[in-house]
Amino acid sequence: SAVISQKPSRDICQRGTSLTIQCQVDSQVTMMFWYRQQPGQSLTLIATANQGSEATYESGFVIDKFPISRPNLTFSTLTVSNMSPEDSSIYLCSVEGQVAMYFGPGTRLTVL
Amino acid sequence: DAKTTQPPSMDCAEGRAANLPCNHSTISGNEYVYWYRQIHSQGPQYIIHGLKNNETNEMASLIITEDRKSSTLILPHATLRDTAVYYCIVRVARRTGGYQKVTFGTGTKLQVIP
Repeated sequence: SAVISQKPSRDICQRGTSLTIQCQVDSQVTMMFWYRQQPGQSLTLIATANQGSEATYESGFVIDKFPISRPNLTFSTLTVSNMSPEDSSIYLCSVEGQVAMYFGPGTRLTVL
Repeated sequence: DAKTTQPPSMDCAEGRAANLPCNHSTISGNEYVYWYRQIHSQGPQYIIHGLKNNETNEMASLIITEDRKSSTLILPHATLRDTAVYYCIVRVARRTGGYQKVTFGTGTKLQVIP
């Protein structure tokens, strides 16, 4: 299984600011996925990040709000821009391993 | 991905077997059944998966009906640490050169009671 780390593990941010979340994998992977989990809800896919190309966003998510970088095969970042309290969620990255999807520990974001 | 249906919540006494059902009546022939669990505020953890045969690993057993329209995840001796939300997902297995999005339903919140 892949070992995935995320930074920061949690943060409290002010409205209107931006936060960049980092995701590091211990092996090279083609695709990385970013999910959002709002309080009390299930996971929702934000976008899929392929190294060397622009991320593919799901309906309801746009690049201006959630820009993603994928500079190499083990790393990705997700930025939550111009934050509002509605962005308070857990953000998770995941990768597809040989057997199954594997998930990072998540970043808990609170926007005041 | 095929849609799955799970009960929203279940209780299980500590030490007893926890049987978590999942309906996936529209599953395709090449889609596997995967189970994940999410312990409070952590990332989802892979548990087990199967195509049509029953599967067992160190964490759980997976029983898939012959018509593949439903399955049951069995935790043989539930402990308090098994309290979590359990997600049943159906998807094709990993394909070289491609990928498939994973869609999560609402899952089953399992509460293990002392």
